[in-house]
Amino acid sequence: QQQVKQSPQSLIVQKGGISIINCAYENTAFDYFPWYQQFPGKGPALLIAIRPDVSEKKEGRFTISFNKSAKQFSLHIMDSQPGDSATYFCAAIIETSGSRLTFGEGTQLTVNP
Amino acid sequence: DGGITQSPKYLFRKEGQNVTLSCEQNLNHDAMYWYRQDPGQGLRLIYYSQIVNDFQKGDIAEGYSVSREKKESFPLTVTSAQKNPTAFYLCASNRVGGSSYEQYFGPGTRLTVT
Repeated sequence: QQQVKQSPQSLIVQKGGISIINCAYENTAFDYFPWYQQFPGKGPALLIAIRPDVSEKKEGRFTISFNKSAKQFSLHIMDSQPGDSATYFCAAIIETSGSRLTFGEGTQLTVNP
Repeated sequence: DGGITQSPKYLFRKEGQNVTLSCEQNLNHDAMYWYRQDPGQGLRLIYYSQIVNDFQKGDIAEGYSVSREKKESFPLTVTSAQKNPTAFYLCASNRVGGSSYEQYFGPGTRLTVT
C-alpha cells in the first residue's frame, strides 16, 4: 500500500522558473520527511529534510513547505537551473521505530535552458 | 574515498537463471538496504539488515534472497521465482542510531532478464 503519494510524475520548467513538487501522506506517525535527488544513472542522494513541527525549511534555492493538518508537503526549487534536471523523490519515516523509508513515486524534472 | 560500490553496473541474464548483485560499503554503517526502482513506482524496499547475520523482508521480498555475513557486504540474489526481475536495483546504507532518514545509495545495477 502506497503511503506517500507524489505529483506530478513529470515537470518541465524554464530556466529561472519555480519548480513545485507535491507529496501527501497517510500515516500520521511519520516524523521525518526527506527529499532525495537522483541524477540519471546514479543513486539518489539526500537533498533536504523536515520535521512535522516545522512549517518551512530553506536551504539555498530549495525550500520544503509542510502542512501538518492537510498531511501534505512540497518541494520548491527557486530560480530553477538546467543542472537541477533530475528525478526527485519525497519520502517519510518513523525515526523512532527503525530506518525504513517510504518513498513517493518520483517526479522527473526537466529545466529547459 | 568512502562509499557504496555496486557491481556490475549492467547485468544481463536469461530467464530461469539466478543472479547475484554485489553491494559493498566502507562507511562502517550498520544498516544496509536493497531497493528496486521501476519507472513511476518510486523505490520499493526488498530486504534490509540492521546487523550482521540478521535481515528482514521489505515490501517486495518474494523471489529475492540476501545474506549478511560481513558488515561491509550485503549481496542480493534474484531468483528464478521473481516474476518480473528486469529493473534498476539500488543498495543503500546508514548508521543505526544516526539520522535514520539519511541513507547513502550506491550507483545501482541495471538488471535485464530476457
